[in-house]
Amino acid sequence: QKEVEQNSGPLSVPEGAIASLNCTYSDRGSQSFFWYRQYSGKSPELIMFIYSNGDKEDGRFTAQLNKASQYVSLLIRDSQPSDSATYLCAVNMFDDFGNEKLTFGTGTRLTIIP
Amino acid sequence: KAGVTQTPRYLIKTRGQQVTLSCSPISGHRSVSWYQQTPGQGLQFLFEYFSETQRNKGNFPGRFSGRQFSNSRSEMNVSTLELGDSALYLCASSLGGTSGITGELFFGEGSRLTVL
Repeated sequence: QKEVEQNSGPLSVPEGAIASLNCTYSDRGSQSFFWYRQYSGKSPELIMFIYSNGDKEDGRFTAQLNKASQYVSLLIRDSQPSDSATYLCAVNMFDDFGNEKLTFGTGTRLTIIP
Repeated sequence: KAGVTQTPRYLIKTRGQQVTLSCSPISGHRSVSWYQQTPGQGLQFLFEYFSETQRNKGNFPGRFSGRQFSNSRSEMNVSTLELGDSALYLCASSLGGTSGITGELFFGEGSRLTVL
């Protein structure tokens, strides 16, 4: 079964430090990679997407993709208490019939310590 | 513009009953996906509809079904409820495309189902 793997955490990071979240995926055919943030009791919201190998920066967030290693990561610089949430890695995957679906990891719970 | 609307937000059912959940996507979005979220399993894909057609289905039993109407609104139904069906059911809409789910998924607030 095609999977997306994340360390469930919890990951505790001091305020102002860099938080590093990692994700691996099994489908070599995957082309689209997303990071969603989910606050407790809320629904997921997209914060970053990346399609090409390398880094993509958006404000304090940087997504990194290495397709050869089937690895995607999210870096959060200058971490703030408001960044405390569960971060979900999502990868598009195709079944044997070419049907696409977005597969989510189980998420990493991040806590920023003031 | 209005976001994804799911109803009802909370419901309690007993084993053996059935339930229907509703989702109204963002205006202009033609793709609606359904996910089940539980603490142990995370977000599990149920199915995706595009232009009234189910394009993809996850690994759930036939008790889970859905449909999409011409206005892109979608419903999912769970029959013969089991205790293990207790979960948060999330609907997500996207613009979609002919080749599959493309772009950003916008999630609704979810319908929290408790089965007693």
